[in-house]
Amino acid sequence: GNSVTQMEGPVTLSEEAFLTINCTYTATGYPSLFWYVQYPGEGLQLLLKATKADDKGSNKGFEATYRKETTSFHLEKGSVQVSDSAVYFCALRGSYIPTFGRGTSLIVHP
Amino acid sequence: DAGVIQSPRHEVTEMGQEVTLRCKPISGHDYLFWYRQTMMRGLELLIYFNNNVPIDDSGMPEDRFSAKMPNASFSTLKIQPSEPRDSAVYFCASSIVAIPGLAGEYNEQFFGPGTRLTVL
Repeated sequence: GNSVTQMEGPVTLSEEAFLTINCTYTATGYPSLFWYVQYPGEGLQLLLKATKADDKGSNKGFEATYRKETTSFHLEKGSVQVSDSAVYFCALRGSYIPTFGRGTSLIVHP
Repeated sequence: DAGVIQSPRHEVTEMGQEVTLRCKPISGHDYLFWYRQTMMRGLELLIYFNNNVPIDDSGMPEDRFSAKMPNASFSTLKIQPSEPRDSAVYFCASSIVAIPGLAGEYNEQFFGPGTRLTVL
């Protein structure tokens, strides 16, 4: 079956630091890949997505590239802000049922 | 669009009581999902519907849990009787079908704000 593995958190950074959150997946066929963000007390919301190999999704300074050869979809941001503190979920959808990772908590200090 | 709407946002009840959580999906979306989120288990898919029909309820933990979708704009998740271990945040999410004919073009889900359930 499909699975998503993402790095355990929490990830703690200072403001303006570089962020990488690793995500690898196992799936058959050609899934679409997603990063969702969950702010405290809220539901998950889409951050970015990529639907085929070598596509790069980007939004709010975050980027992730669909790497089929390494089955990865790592999330990066060049300079994080305190407001980026949240939980980030990597997900794939290769059928009607999506598969989510466990989530990675990001804490950004001023 | 108002997005996915869930009610109530918070529910505190006593063990043994019936609990009903409500969800209004985004208009035009034909998939509806119910999830449970806890620190221990993360995000768990409980059940999902397509065009108001339950497709897969294998994630429903016990017979105490039931879900219905009487029409395209409303769904309920009921727990009867409730137990303290049911305490969690319950999310509803909706989605539109994959774009037909395009490999890999699966659409994202839109989540509601969740219902935080506490069973004492």
